[in-house]
Amino acid sequence: DTEVTQTPKHLVMGMTNKKSLKCEQHMGHRAMYWYKQKAKKPPELMFVYSYEKLSINESVPSRFSPECPNSSLLNLHLHALQPEDSALYLCASSQDELGNQPQHFGDGTRLSIL
Amino acid sequence: DQQVKQNSPSLSVQEGRISILNCDYTNSMFDYFLWYKKYPAEGPTFLISISSIKDKNEDGRFTVFLNKSAKHLSLHIVPSQPGDSAVYFCAASVIFSGGGADGLTFGKGTHLIIQP
Repeated sequence: DTEVTQTPKHLVMGMTNKKSLKCEQHMGHRAMYWYKQKAKKPPELMFVYSYEKLSINESVPSRFSPECPNSSLLNLHLHALQPEDSALYLCASSQDELGNQPQHFGDGTRLSIL
Repeated sequence: DQQVKQNSPSLSVQEGRISILNCDYTNSMFDYFLWYKKYPAEGPTFLISISSIKDKNEDGRFTVFLNKSAKHLSLHIVPSQPGDSAVYFCAASVIFSGGGADGLTFGKGTHLIIQP
């Protein structure tokens, strides 16, 4: 059982839709992350939030908009996505006080863009 | 340009024997290394990690070795069990001097198959 919960597990949306991916953790972690994983590829970092502030944005297109409403929640707002954005989106969290703490992942949201 | 490389896409090992998974990295700034295990339809599960001040870390059946001069790390699983069959990802990150979080850079993964 994962301690990082992602919803929904699957999402199919059209290119003009607006949807949101949600991630929740109750481990008291202060760093949260979004990764994107295409088929047969490794996860690739998108965003890092540290103490609810965006600290790293890996040049992600603006059609992906992250939000961290509080220390337990992380959202990824989606708008006007392209078919190539279809992928598994993984959320992770870690303690932020020290850098040498592992990230714990959710099971991901599998996103399909029609 | 891949900064973390796992050159074996797959590895087949007999049950009870040792599994050795290898990983190389090119970025000398990396100072924290992790191994994750991934089953289909699940997220990566953290297995074991090592910081650059150590050359070995052991946790039960899992041992990670780090050779900084060669920029190489390996994961040893002894003895291998059928439930170990999964994709194993090597990952690396930088530890910021003031603390703080950095994202992980992953290798492409090695599919470990444990044969009965």
